[in-house]
Amino acid sequence: AQSVTQLGSHVSVSEGALVLLRCNYSSSVPPYLFWYVQYPNQGLQLLLKYTTGATLVKGINGFEAEFKKSETSFHLTKPSAHMSDAAEYFCAVSDKETSGSRLTFGEGTQLTVNP
Amino acid sequence: DTEVTQTPKHLVMGMTNKKSLKCEQHMGHRAMYWYKQKAKKPPELMFVYSYEKLSINESVPSRFSPECPNSSLLNLHLHALQPEDSALYLCASSPRWWNGDEQFFGPGTRLTVL
Repeated sequence: AQSVTQLGSHVSVSEGALVLLRCNYSSSVPPYLFWYVQYPNQGLQLLLKYTTGATLVKGINGFEAEFKKSETSFHLTKPSAHMSDAAEYFCAVSDKETSGSRLTFGEGTQLTVNP
Repeated sequence: DTEVTQTPKHLVMGMTNKKSLKCEQHMGHRAMYWYKQKAKKPPELMFVYSYEKLSINESVPSRFSPECPNSSLLNLHLHALQPEDSALYLCASSPRWWNGDEQFFGPGTRLTVL
């Protein structure tokens, strides 16, 4: 079964600093990969996804992620944090070898942005 | 219309009540999902409907009963719930039931069981 590990349940950065949120998956066949963001009392919103093609994926709000097969990683970055980026971030995977869409989520990383 | 709507936003119910949660999308998506999310935890999949047929039931207790009357609408009927069922219930939809498709989430219904 797929599993997803997000290193760091809480990450704190200063406004304007680099944001790096880590995600590693465990499967021999790379899955489809997703990053979602959840603001307080709201649903999840897709930031970006990787299915095939270029391994550096650009998403909304200035975020990007790079799929690295050799490291089984899909880390999320943003060059300069804004206060509005404070939220919960979930990495999720979907197994290519099963039919249908079934997302497996990581435990989440709470991002705090300090002024 | 590119959103998933859920009603009500908040629901408080007793353990003997019967209530329903409603989810609607008008994006022409053919897969719809119910998730349960406890505080500070990721969403947990409960049910998946693909082309209005129940495709996945993740061993959810029978006090939760899903229904998909048509391709735009998804209901979750609740009966004899327990306090531990208090959570945020999220609905999502995707264009197809394909593992590379993005899921679009609604804002959720915050359920409290007394």
